[in-house]
Amino acid sequence: QKEVEQNSGPLSVPEGAIASLNCTYSDRGSQSFFWYRQYSGKSPELIMFIYSNGDKEDGRFTAQLNKASQYVSLLIRDSQPSDSATYLCAALNDYKLSFGAGTTVTVRA
Amino acid sequence: KAGVTQTPRYLIKTRGQQVTLSCSPISGHRSVSWYQQTPGQGLQFLFEYFSETQRNKGNFPGRFSGRQFSNSRSEMNVSTLELGDSALYLCASSDPGQGALFYNSPLHFGNGTRLTVT
Repeated sequence: QKEVEQNSGPLSVPEGAIASLNCTYSDRGSQSFFWYRQYSGKSPELIMFIYSNGDKEDGRFTAQLNKASQYVSLLIRDSQPSDSATYLCAALNDYKLSFGAGTTVTVRA
Repeated sequence: KAGVTQTPRYLIKTRGQQVTLSCSPISGHRSVSWYQQTPGQGLQFLFEYFSETQRNKGNFPGRFSGRQFSNSRSEMNVSTLELGDSALYLCASSDPGQGALFYNSPLHFGNGTRLTVT
């Protein structure tokens, strides 16, 4: 079992819609959780990180963490074509990030 | 602030050679981590350094090594290169702050070094 699992995608959403990305993790010792966006041929770019249960909002992005369910999610509101990318979920433990395989999102204009 | 700087951006090496990659973290960041990204395995952790000490190491063979200098700059070395070492190598830095609270210190990635082994 991989340490971090993401919904496999690809996910296609119309412009202006909400994109919902999900992630589960297996290590209960994981301390914080990160969402990165990666465009093709580029390096991962940090979108948000969260370490307390509940919701955290930053602009059009909302991260949700439920440690009891070992579940992390990312909502992208008012999706734009520029949001088309691969989204990586990562869990931090013992100075190490464990990444999921990524979910590819395509926003249709 | 300048971002994480990795050099070189591209490298082509022959099987059996060795290679050294360099990473300069964001100014003030004392933690540097290295990751390997391949299409088949995704992003995998190599090692993490803080104040010149390696605090964690991933499941890679001993051919992969690294170090951190007193100015927080870091290098990683791969000896006896194999075809399977072809990958994007990413360096990330973070600033755990006074309390070294690593869990609330986001990691910022550099542009990576794309290594091709022929």
